[in-house]
Amino acid sequence: DTAVSQTPKYLVTQMGNDKSIKCEQNLGHDTMYWYKQDSKKFLKIMFSYNNKELIINETVPNRFSPKSPDKAHLNLHINSLELGDSAVYFCASSQGLNSYNEQFFGPGTRLTVL
Amino acid sequence: AQKITQTQPGMFVQEKEAVTLDCTYDTSDQSYGLFWYKQPSSGEMIFLIYQGSYDEQNATEGRYSLNFQKARKSANLVISASQLGDSAMYFCAMNDYKLSFGAGTTVTVRA
Repeated sequence: DTAVSQTPKYLVTQMGNDKSIKCEQNLGHDTMYWYKQDSKKFLKIMFSYNNKELIINETVPNRFSPKSPDKAHLNLHINSLELGDSAVYFCASSQGLNSYNEQFFGPGTRLTVL
Repeated sequence: AQKITQTQPGMFVQEKEAVTLDCTYDTSDQSYGLFWYKQPSSGEMIFLIYQGSYDEQNATEGRYSLNFQKARKSANLVISASQLGDSAMYFCAMNDYKLSFGAGTTVTVRA
């Protein structure tokens, strides 16, 4: 009964490839997020969706495209992967956009671009 | 501009002692939330404690307490009676319109 799940957990791929990471939450939350954690452990928000609508789109290259088919799912597609994309990507969800809503994180996807 | 500042990259603490992790933040909003998350070596992000900007009482959750000083814009985490399992990286975060994280503090608990 995992609250926020991500697949795959590990992803190793060559530069230039296209890959997707899937995220699902079973908490009934309205809001979902993608975060990137770099090699120095710094966490930065990439995107957030509320009721399938894009709310936050940080300065992320156009090669990254989130898709939310429904409130429970938020997938991340990455085109033309680059070495600098290597990181851990976390999906998260919260009940809403309010500042007091705790965010629940998925286990992370470690992406390695060779 | 950095919104969340954690000035201690790493700390050592003896088992059963208390440790305080510093966090200062910057926002012009009146309504915001402050969070602490724990990231053990296994990598998952674990929510520890929350403090709302309008909360007058400091938040507590078991061995975790948050020392909230609004005028100083600080939200320090206190872990009491440290255990070996507390060894991890700890992140302070602020949610005004989005969640911004500090750089983290690595805590190592010594037996």
